[in-house]
This record gives sequence, C-alpha cells and structure tokens, in this order.
Amino acid sequence: DGGITQSPKYLFRKEGQNVTLSCEQNLNHDAMYWYRQDPGQGLRLIYYSQIVNDFQKGDIAEGYSVSREKKESFPLTVTSAQKNPTAFYLCASSILDGYTFGSGTRLTVV
Amino acid sequence: QQQVKQSPQSLIVQKGGIPIINCAYENTAFDYFPWYQQFPGKGPALLIAIRPDVSEKKEGRFTISFNKSAKQFSLHIMDSQPGDSATYFCAASLSPGGGNKLTFGTGTQLKVEL
Repeated sequence: DGGITQSPKYLFRKEGQNVTLSCEQNLNHDAMYWYRQDPGQGLRLIYYSQIVNDFQKGDIAEGYSVSREKKESFPLTVTSAQKNPTAFYLCASSILDGYTFGSGTRLTVV
Repeated sequence: QQQVKQSPQSLIVQKGGIPIINCAYENTAFDYFPWYQQFPGKGPALLIAIRPDVSEKKEGRFTISFNKSAKQFSLHIMDSQPGDSATYFCAASLSPGGGNKLTFGTGTQLKVEL
C-alpha cells in the first residue's frame, strides 16, 4: 500500500540535544511538508520541499532543519535552538489530487 | 496572520444530530478547500474537499457548502454517530501539487453523545 511512514511514533529529547524525525513516502509525490501541531493551534507549517535538493521555510522554521536528498525522504531535525519542541509532528506529501499525511511523531522534552 | 478562521472550537451534539462547522478564508487566490478528520494520536485523514466552481459537495454523510462571495465554507455531518467524535480541521490552498501549502484552521473538537 502506498503511503507515508513516520518514525519513531514517540521520541524523547533531552535539553540541548538534536533529534531527527524520519518521513518516507512511496507515493511518488514531488512535494513534501512538515507541520507542527499544538493543542488549540491547528497545524503550522515548518518546512516544505517542492523537489529534490530544494526546500523552503514555512511559518515556524526557527530551530528546525531539513534535507531532501531523495524524492522519497524528507527528514526533520529538531535542533537545540528550538526552545519549545514538545509537540506532535506531522509529515505530508502532495500531488494534484490532494495531500496525504503520515501518522505523526510525538516529541517530548525530558 | 491567520488566513483561515474556524468555529466553533468545540461542539457537542446528540446522536443523529447535524453538527455544522464553519470556516472563513482571506486569500481569494485559494482554490482548494479540504476538510480533515483527526483522531487522537493519528494523522489527519481527508474527509472531503471542494473547489470554488461548485457551491455544494456531498460524500456519504458529509457535505461541504461553499460561498465564494462571502469567502466562507462549512462542513455538515448528517445523522452524526458517536464514531464521528474527533477533531475536524478545515484548510485552504492553491491547487495541490507543485509545493503549494495548506493553511489550516485551528480545529473543532466534536463529541457526539448517545
């Protein structure tokens, strides 16, 4: 079945530590996105990529970094510069018919 | 600047009732308006989407009403069931694909009681 796989499902980060969230898709979609979800704030765009080796900042990119070396993969790194990283992170991809979301990674700072 | 405003924040209806969730957008260039359903701990799943060339679209028990002049659209859930209890998000974008971004409303928590 085609879809988006996010891993891990749960992730715990210590203060000052960088962590990387994985997002893999087998839908052959060109565009991929990372959203952050906090209670009562909906989904906010962190980064997006229209094509391999290219990506743009979204609305809340500070403290995050991404790479797009392969069409299928769009990993997100939460750096120590992100002061409030505890949230639910969602990866998505799109084609003309619409957007598909992964099942998310819940990141908690311990 | 929030470009998609959603209301209400939460909603409780009785089984069989018709919950209505409303959204308003600002960017007149938007031409794709989807609704997503999200259960706790899961990613959003597409329910139904509409383009601005039609005023209404039905899929099963879910209906989108679209008012282009007012820049508003709404979701109606007919014969609501306890299994419909979830968070619903409206969104808007330019046509999907090509890296166009979805802008989301803040969500509505729906509870359908027996």
